[in-house]
Amino acid sequence: ETGVTQTPRHLVMGMTNKKSLKCEQHLGHNAMYWYKQSAKKPLELMFVYNFKEQTENNSVPSRFSPECPNSSHLFLHLHTLQPEDSALYLCASRQNDRGTNYGYTFGSGTRLTVV
Amino acid sequence: QKEVEQNSGPLSVPEGAIASLNCTYSDRGSQSFFWYRQYSGKSPELIMFIYSNGDKEDGRFTAQLNKASQYVSLLIRDSQPSDSATYLCAVYNYGQNFVFGPGTRLSVLP
Repeated sequence: ETGVTQTPRHLVMGMTNKKSLKCEQHLGHNAMYWYKQSAKKPLELMFVYNFKEQTENNSVPSRFSPECPNSSHLFLHLHTLQPEDSALYLCASRQNDRGTNYGYTFGSGTRLTVV
Repeated sequence: QKEVEQNSGPLSVPEGAIASLNCTYSDRGSQSFFWYRQYSGKSPELIMFIYSNGDKEDGRFTAQLNKASQYVSLLIRDSQPSDSATYLCAVYNYGQNFVFGPGTRLSVLP
């Protein structure tokens, strides 16, 4: 385990469903991120939270709605998704005040399939 | 638009050989450079970072950085089949977000 836990690991949902992805970090980090990883494409940054405040929304469609109730928990609420939203959704955390030589710690990801 | 480029591969090397993975980046102000390994169906795992020009060695892995050429590489010596994975290059500038490359798929043939 990396210290960043994502649930569920796999999710199949219909286009009219509403579901949520959950991420929890046990590392005491102050920043959390949602990334989307599609086949043969670079990691796409979706949302950034610093000290539980959203600091970036990278032009993500409104059918994706993030929530960060505290600095350890991050959710991604999904509704009326499209088949092209099928991807691996990765949560990451980082301690942003430790300078430049500190990378992300990723969770294990949620493999989402929209049918 | 800040970009990080990598050859998508697959890069195939025989077991025991040196695998050389390359990455170029567009933001000249970038300060730190990270290599992540991602096995199929798994999440990225940090294996090395470098911030000074030159070489940095950690076991079988050597990261090389040339800021003037905006180029960073990862060498894997004595490659093993267990090194077969996708290697992601990530570039960081303080106060900004990481920018990831598309990854290079490495296949080490027994």
